[in-house]
Amino acid sequence: DVKVTQSSRYLVKRTGEKVFLECVQDMDHENMFWYRQDPGLGLRLIYFSYDVKMKEKGDIPEGYSVSREKKERFSLILESASTNQTSMYLCASSFTGTRGTDTQYFGPGTRLTVL
Amino acid sequence: LAKTTQPISMDSYEGQEVNITCSHNNIATNDYITWYQQFPSQGPRFIIQGYKTKVTNEVASLFIPADRKSSTLSLPRVSLSDTAVYYCLVGYLTGTASKLTFGTGTRLQVTL
Repeated sequence: DVKVTQSSRYLVKRTGEKVFLECVQDMDHENMFWYRQDPGLGLRLIYFSYDVKMKEKGDIPEGYSVSREKKERFSLILESASTNQTSMYLCASSFTGTRGTDTQYFGPGTRLTVL
Repeated sequence: LAKTTQPISMDSYEGQEVNITCSHNNIATNDYITWYQQFPSQGPRFIIQGYKTKVTNEVASLFIPADRKSSTLSLPRVSLSDTAVYYCLVGYLTGTASKLTFGTGTRLQVTL
């Protein structure tokens, strides 16, 4: 079974703090994703990475950065957390197959609260 | 990017067939349609994926008309454990760009 783990299930930070969210997958997937999930808005893509050290902006990258130094690990960074970044953050990974898109496997999510 | 629209919620009784539709009017030629299921406090889980016509697996069926501007997830004989939020995902992942767009989700409530 594919396993995607996230470093924390719940996190509380203060405005202005630098926040790191870590994600690790164990299936040697090329692609990794960070989404945020908010009521009524569904899942919105923040960033994704298709290879080590490669990244692409998603729909809402503002206020976020990412790092992928190793294939299995993808980090989301909030340089200076703000209250509007309070949300559920979901990490996912997928294999690049011969089709245009492949199944994404999600972690359990990190619920971040910024006070 | 394809804009995807789903009903906010649906109710069903146990044993009934449930059909959830996703509208994606500006779907592109290369876009696939994927459906996910999400339980509280968990990440979404893959259910089914298709490109055109009909796809069936052990869990669900996916119907896609010829114009591909909508798709319908069909859950046969739902049970209480099918109570969850269902998302459609439309898009095509290339090596250097993502065109993936999730719908806002449909909350399905199954009761006895």
